Formats: sequence, structure tokens, C-alpha cells
Amino acid sequence: NAGVMQNPRHLVRRRGQEARLRCSPMKGHSHVYWYRQLPEEGLKFMVYLQKENIIDESGMPKERFSAEFPKEGPSILRIQQVVRGDSAAYFCASSPRGGRYTEAFFGQGTRLTVV
Amino acid sequence: AQSVTQLGSHVSVSEGALVLLRCNYSSSVPPYLFWYVQYPNQGLQLLLKYTTGATLVKGINGFEAEFKKSETSFHLTKPSAHMSDAAEYFCAVSPSGGNTPLVFGKGTRLSVIA
Repeated sequence: NAGVMQNPRHLVRRRGQEARLRCSPMKGHSHVYWYRQLPEEGLKFMVYLQKENIIDESGMPKERFSAEFPKEGPSILRIQQVVRGDSAAYFCASSPRGGRYTEAFFGQGTRLTVV
Repeated sequence: AQSVTQLGSHVSVSEGALVLLRCNYSSSVPPYLFWYVQYPNQGLQLLLKYTTGATLVKGINGFEAEFKKSETSFHLTKPSAHMSDAAEYFCAVSPSGGNTPLVFGKGTRLSVIA
């Protein structure tokens, strides 16, 4: 059973371009979480999705950021018009169900560098 | 709101020495607590978790943690450090509510000196 797959592992974008980060959850997992990791700041929650639904996007910046998890295919985190401050590691995690009892499994992350 | 404080952003121990990484939490409801480890350029891997029951929780790689409600703590320990333990360690709490994701501390980087 393959783990959570994220691609690309490294992404370089110029300021103003779009970044698209992909996350394929573990087989049988229908819940996906995106986190952002900045140096010395730990992981910050961004958005929680279930198939075709956004459950909680309280951690997502209101502008330029969007996320989806379609019925078929991977979850996508999209950042439009990237700025230097978007440079970070973005992690996706998945779980088979929601709730407090559920362990989330993490991917290896996408490291975004904005130049 | 739930929060996690990890004391010490960087801890350095000698190989074979005791590892102690501190985590304190705040929670208005009985907490569910987790420790994750992150190796360089990797994702996070679950070390152990506390939900209910026994307050001393054993995890992988010889790590364990004890939930102390009176101290609102969930410190991570290992009796004897190994070079391969060098990594970043994150404590996390699961907030109340059915669909709320984990809240992480800022992490503690563990260095092991030969």
C-alpha cells in the first residue's frame, strides 16, 4: 500500500507565476489535510478536504490560495501569483475518516521556492 | 482553543544519554496527544499517540511519553540516544470537535553527539 504521494518534491516559481501542488492520499483514504511549514515555525494547518468538499479552510489565506479534492484524481493546492513569502514546505496528510481518533499519514512534502 | 508549547527549539545529547523532549498543551477538553518525527527532507512519521487509557504510551524506536494531566504535559523520552534519532520532533494535540485537524507545536530539533 503506497503512502501519501506528493508531487513535485521541489518546485521553483518566479514571482507572479502559479504553483500547483498535488497530493494523492493513501488508498482508501477520503480525508486530506494540507499544512505549510515555515522555518522555525512548525506546521500550520491550511485546509481540510473530503472528496468534493471543503470541510475547514480556516487556515488558508483568503487571497491567491485555493484547494480542491475532486471525486477522481489527486487533491490540488493552487497558489496564484506567488510571492517570496510563499516559499515553504507544503505537506499533505490523509486519513481514512475524520474525527479525533484518527491518525493522519503524511507525504514527503513539496518544497516551493519563489525566486 | 487548544495549543501546544514545546520547550527548547534545539536539544543536544550525547549518544547513549537520556533523551527528554518537553511538550505542554492547553485544552478545554480531554486531549488527544501525538508525537511525530521528521527526518531531513522527509514528511512526518507518527511516533506515538495518547487517546485514552494508560498514561504511559510506548511508541516506535524505543520512545515513550507520559500523559500528566495535572501538569498538562506529554514529554517524550528515550533512555539511550542513538545517532539515528537526530531529527525534528513535533508534539501535536487534537482539538475537540469531530473534524478539526491537529494543532502542532513549533518543533524541537534533536542533535546526537558521538
